[in-house]
Amino acid sequence: DAGITQSPRHKVTETGTPVTLRCHQTENHRYMYWYRQDPGHGLRLIHYSYGVKDTDKGEVSDGYSVSRSKTEDFLLTLESATSSQTSVYFCAISGADYNSPLHFGNGTRLTVT
Amino acid sequence: RKEVEQDPGPFNVPEGATVAFNCTYSNSASQSFFWYRQDCRKEPKLLMSVYSSGNEDGRFTAQLNRASQYISLLIRDSKLSDSATYLCVVNIGSNDMRFGAGTRLTVKP
Repeated sequence: DAGITQSPRHKVTETGTPVTLRCHQTENHRYMYWYRQDPGHGLRLIHYSYGVKDTDKGEVSDGYSVSRSKTEDFLLTLESATSSQTSVYFCAISGADYNSPLHFGNGTRLTVT
Repeated sequence: RKEVEQDPGPFNVPEGATVAFNCTYSNSASQSFFWYRQDCRKEPKLLMSVYSSGNEDGRFTAQLNRASQYISLLIRDSKLSDSATYLCVVNIGSNDMRFGAGTRLTVKP
């Protein structure tokens, strides 16, 4: 399995609080992604990164920001969490080029009350 | 219209059956295609890439039909352990991988 670690694995937080999710990889892959998964929607891309300090928005980026200061770490921040952001968040990495398949971390279950 | 669409199922089949899933995509410029398997409350795992000429991996066969813009997954001799949700994934350009909502398969004894 690809070396991808997400933390925390579970989090419950209150509406309006900031939350940061971390993705750490040991594969030295260039591309990193954050997805959310909700019933009936499948996985939807939030943000992705194609290198250190190089990030771009995905399909559902509103309310989220990301940072990548090192190759191995990709952080997802909810500046002010809302109940609609209750979801399962998956980090993914891919290698040589953007046509390479994705490999996922174990996921973070976030509940915003 | 969604970029990638799958029949959500559920497909309930007996052990040993052959089952096929289709997935349609809307962007004719899509470059790469994959099938993933996801078990309940787990992360998606790559099952196989889908190549233009079609490809096979044991009991699993994947095919791409560019003219009709769909990919398919065939599972032969179904096992209980094949029970999962199967996700099709289409790269619609650059780093934009789009997922279908998944097809749920249950294989019964």
